[in-house]
Amino acid sequence: AQTVTQSQPEMSVQEAETVTLSCTYDTSESDYYLFWYKQPPSRQMILVIRQEAYKQQNATENRFSVNFQKAAKSFSLKISDSQLGDAAMYFCAYRSPAGSWAKLVFGQGTRLTINP
Amino acid sequence: NAGVTQTPKFQVLKTGQSMTLQCAQDMNHEYMSWYRQDPGMGLRLIHYSVGAGITDQGEVPNGYNVSRSTTEDFPLRLLSAAPSQTSVYFCASSLRSGYGYTFGSGTRLTVV
Repeated sequence: AQTVTQSQPEMSVQEAETVTLSCTYDTSESDYYLFWYKQPPSRQMILVIRQEAYKQQNATENRFSVNFQKAAKSFSLKISDSQLGDAAMYFCAYRSPAGSWAKLVFGQGTRLTINP
Repeated sequence: NAGVTQTPKFQVLKTGQSMTLQCAQDMNHEYMSWYRQDPGMGLRLIHYSVGAGITDQGEVPNGYNVSRSTTEDFPLRLLSAAPSQTSVYFCASSLRSGYGYTFGSGTRLTVV
């Protein structure tokens, strides 16, 4: 079974600086999708960024970018110019071809604090 | 566009009671799933569906039942509530395999 590991339970960063959240995953599949979700105190799960495993180019969405290393099974999230509104739990997730692509496996999450 | 709508937002049950968490989406998504979120454990898949009439078990299905009679609705039934089912429950839907799931706002369930 696939597993997703986020080794940093908590991270903090000064406002306007850059922070990187780590994620590793374990799989024997060659085709899959990876995601980062943000969960602010409102509890809503918000999709931040998406990466297709067969694309070597790293995904970017405004201040958010990923470093996808397929051979190392690593998928880190970089947040540039951190803002107070970035404070949240961040979850890494893996979408598997198992179960007709229906299954999404989550890591344990990283709580990000932004210091003003 | 309402997205994924979950009801209720909060619920307190007594041990042994049954209830249904409602989930509806208006995006014509094929895939729908139920997750539970517990502290330090991320989100874990309970049940999922790839289309009307098709459901399957996820990682933690015991004590829960689902059905999908329409594309829009995917209710989760707790058969006999236990304190171990105290959690936050999320319903999510997705258009196709490569897309991210859209989540509802969650239901905080407490079983006493």
